[in-house]
Amino acid sequence: NAGVTQTPKFRVLKTGQSMTLLCAQDMNHEYMYWYRQDPGMGLRLIHYSVGEGTTAKGEVPDGYNVSRLKKQNFLLGLESAAPSQTSVYFCASTFDPYEQYFGPGTRLTVT
Amino acid sequence: AQSVTQPDIHITVSEGASLELRCNYSYGATPYLFWYVQSPGQGLQLLLKYFSGDTLVQGIKGFEAEFKRSQSSFNLRKPSVHWSDAAEYFCAVAASSYNTDKLIFGTGTRLQVFP
Repeated sequence: NAGVTQTPKFRVLKTGQSMTLLCAQDMNHEYMYWYRQDPGMGLRLIHYSVGEGTTAKGEVPDGYNVSRLKKQNFLLGLESAAPSQTSVYFCASTFDPYEQYFGPGTRLTVT
Repeated sequence: AQSVTQPDIHITVSEGASLELRCNYSYGATPYLFWYVQSPGQGLQLLLKYFSGDTLVQGIKGFEAEFKRSQSSFNLRKPSVHWSDAAEYFCAVAASSYNTDKLIFGTGTRLQVFP
C-alpha cells in the first residue's frame, strides 16, 4: 500500500515547455486534489476531482489543466510553463472531504 | 468568504516547553477545522480535526486543539515539545457547509525547537 505517489519528484523546465505531473493513489479514494505551495502563501488549490471523469477548478486554475480518466490517477498539465509556475506541487486524495492524504510533492522550477 | 489566519509565521521554543499555535477563521456557519503538519521535504499529515461536539479535540503525537466559537479560534497546543516536532503547521477550514469537498489552508507557522 503506497498511499499517494507523485511523479516526478523534481523537474526543471524552460519557459514555454510543457509537462505533465502524475498523481497516483491506491486507496480507492473518490476525491483527488492538486495544490501548489509557495513561501508565505500556504497551500492553494489548483484543481480537484470528486470522482472518475470529473474535474473542477480551484482557487488558482489558470495555466493548468487536469484529467481524471482513471479513478486512481489525477494528472496535472502545464501547456506552456511560465516562471510564475515555479513551486512545489502537492497531490492529495481522500474518501471523504475531511482527511486528505498527501503525496510527497514535486518541486518544479521554470527558468 | 471563508478564510484562515495564522498570525505567527515563525515560532521558536525550547525542547520540553509548552506550545500554542494560533489559528483564527472566518466562517458563517459551524466550521469544520483541521490542523496539518508538514515535516521538511514531506507532504502534509493530519494532526486532528473538529466537526462538532466536545470543543477540545485530541490528535496524534500528543497534540490537542480547542475550538472557541466566541473567539473564532482553533489553537493547537502541546504541553511538552520534542525536537521531532520541528515542522510547519497548517490550520485549515472546510470551504463551506454545502461545499465541504474543499479545504482552505492558512499560510502556516514554522516551528523551530532548540535543545
